[in-house]
Amino acid sequence: DQQVKQNSPSLSVQEGRISILNCDYTNSMFDYFLWYKKYPAEGPTFLISISSIKDKNEDGRFTVFLNKSAKHLSLHIVPSQPGDSAVYFCAASARVVEYGNKLVFGAGTILRVKS
Amino acid sequence: KAGVTQTPRYLIKTRGQQVTLSCSPISGHRSVSWYQQTPGQGLQFLFEYFSETQRNKGNFPGRFSGRQFSNSRSEMNVSTLELGDSALYLCASRLDSGETQYFGPGTRLLVL
Repeated sequence: DQQVKQNSPSLSVQEGRISILNCDYTNSMFDYFLWYKKYPAEGPTFLISISSIKDKNEDGRFTVFLNKSAKHLSLHIVPSQPGDSAVYFCAASARVVEYGNKLVFGAGTILRVKS
Repeated sequence: KAGVTQTPRYLIKTRGQQVTLSCSPISGHRSVSWYQQTPGQGLQFLFEYFSETQRNKGNFPGRFSGRQFSNSRSEMNVSTLELGDSALYLCASRLDSGETQYFGPGTRLLVL
């Protein structure tokens, strides 16, 4: 049962334009969400996170939006740069005993930024 | 501040052998979690250690085990290796009060 879903396996965007990566979740206990960027054979690099008490968080070119009623979050990258080309993972956690602090990951979206 | 470090970076083993992977968390981080990444299953949680105690365990067989030392360094062990254990094994650490986990570069394990 996939609790975190990234339905777009890949996304191609022109340099300078906006990249929008989407993520849906099914478990209403999730209350903290993160985005990671990953290159092949390397560990994920933390990008940005959002708590369920917020609906938006910004950090430079990266903005994450959370729609709790729709159980949906998105990552916006503006402007997109060729160096942003990587796999992006959405992850969620729940601050309840049975979940501990484990992260549940989506399958990832490959972002290609064309110059 | 140095990031999470993992050793070795690459490892080749044969079926039936056992392997030990090591992780040093970011200084001051006492929580260490392990994840497995495979093409078929994606990133999956193995276990979490905090103050030398396992706090949470994922859905993996008992062949996968771990431990944490008093300096917060952690090791994971896989016994009786199977071909399907070939994967990238990732370690992540976080602050006691933090929600964000920071990952190391991973250990690429190939089982032949």
